[in-house]
Amino acid sequence: DQQVKQNSPSLSVQEGRISILNCDYTNSMFDYFLWYKKYPAEGPTFLISISSIKDKNEDGRFTVFLNKSAKHLSLHIVPSQPGDSAVYFCAASARYGDDMRFGAGTRLTVKP
Amino acid sequence: GAVVSQHPSWVICKSGTSVKIECRSLDFQATTMFWYRQFPKQSLMLMATSNEGSKATYEQGVEKDKFLINHASLTLSTLTVTSAHPEDSSFYICSASPGTGMQPQHFGDGTRLSIL
Repeated sequence: DQQVKQNSPSLSVQEGRISILNCDYTNSMFDYFLWYKKYPAEGPTFLISISSIKDKNEDGRFTVFLNKSAKHLSLHIVPSQPGDSAVYFCAASARYGDDMRFGAGTRLTVKP
Repeated sequence: GAVVSQHPSWVICKSGTSVKIECRSLDFQATTMFWYRQFPKQSLMLMATSNEGSKATYEQGVEKDKFLINHASLTLSTLTVTSAHPEDSSFYICSASPGTGMQPQHFGDGTRLSIL
């Protein structure tokens, strides 16, 4: 059973606009959430994270929102740039440093 | 949705033992499978990429003779940690993809390996 789900396999956005990537989870024990970015032929690289004590974490153009009651988190990229085109994975763990569970990824394409 | 099964989910063994981890794609043919190791601070290290029927491509710094990867079929890849030592203790995750490049990757649930 998939505990972390990314229901949109792909997303296309115009440069300069906002990209919103969504992630849902089922395990109420998850307490720490992460987003990874992956380019072809490379491993995922850590992008941003959030713990359950917060509902928002911002880092430059990237903001992650967490809605614990809905078991939902989202990654906002503003403004989107062509270099943001990649596959984005959502991951969750019961606490920081614990083993992670990954979603299937969303392929973001930012068009010039 | 696509499911990748990774087995075992955890294993504890003595130093010097070899441990095999299996990664199976249950409902699709995985042209490519990836093996990762999770390090502290949530970083994931890509260890190797395996394509069915050919030798795995190892990332720099990963010992080929230490971490044996076999991708014998389109639904199964195995990672064998040979003569494991305590420093090999980690969380190992596989993922499988039906294609290459920007294709979706479906992750297994990982294997927690503890070497005593």
